Amino acid sequence: ETGVTQTPRHLVMGMTNKKSLKCEQHLGHNAMYWYKQSAKKPLELMFVYNFKEQTENNSVPSRFSPECPNSSHLFLHLHTLQPEDSALYLCASSQEGGPQHFGDGTRLSIL
Amino acid sequence: AQSVTQPDIHITVSEGASLELRCNYSYGATPYLFWYVQSPGQGLQLLLKYFSGDTLVQGIKGFEAEFKRSQSSFNLRKPSVLWSDAAEYFCAVGGAGNTGKLIFGQGTTLQVKP
Repeated sequence: ETGVTQTPRHLVMGMTNKKSLKCEQHLGHNAMYWYKQSAKKPLELMFVYNFKEQTENNSVPSRFSPECPNSSHLFLHLHTLQPEDSALYLCASSQEGGPQHFGDGTRLSIL
Repeated sequence: AQSVTQPDIHITVSEGASLELRCNYSYGATPYLFWYVQSPGQGLQLLLKYFSGDTLVQGIKGFEAEFKRSQSSFNLRKPSVLWSDAAEYFCAVGGAGNTGKLIFGQGTTLQVKP
């Protein structure tokens, strides 16, 4: 039990579909993160939210749209994705000083 | 340029042997340094982190790391490896604050022989 829960664990979607990834933490952390993990590449930061406010957008394409309704929940809305977007998407949270707790990720496959 | 290098892509050690995973970084400001471990099908788990103070940092699962500013290194060590330590290990560097903008290394895959 990592304290950070991601759903779904696996997602297969077509390039024209719209889907959302969900992340939830009940650790009382103030910051939440989205990372992308692709094969053979280092982990890439996508977005950071502090106290529900977006503080980092690492030049992510607009087909990825984050939403943070409160400090415990984080969503990543997906639309019109490309095959190169297939990856493991990891959510993390922390109180301070960088990501501390990670979820198990959503394995996304784009057909 | 800011970067993290983990020179060893793959390491194999025998159970009970000592372990050292190397991490070198390039960072313009005072670095915050992290080591994470990832088992197959799971997310990353924070092993330890260095922000300031004592340069020898103790982490979970019996791991420790030493920050050497002069060598720009933050190597991870364990005196006696367990079979269950087989996983992928990531070193990361970032700056102050909660930006989460860490730079990750490519990772080192640890295989443990019984």
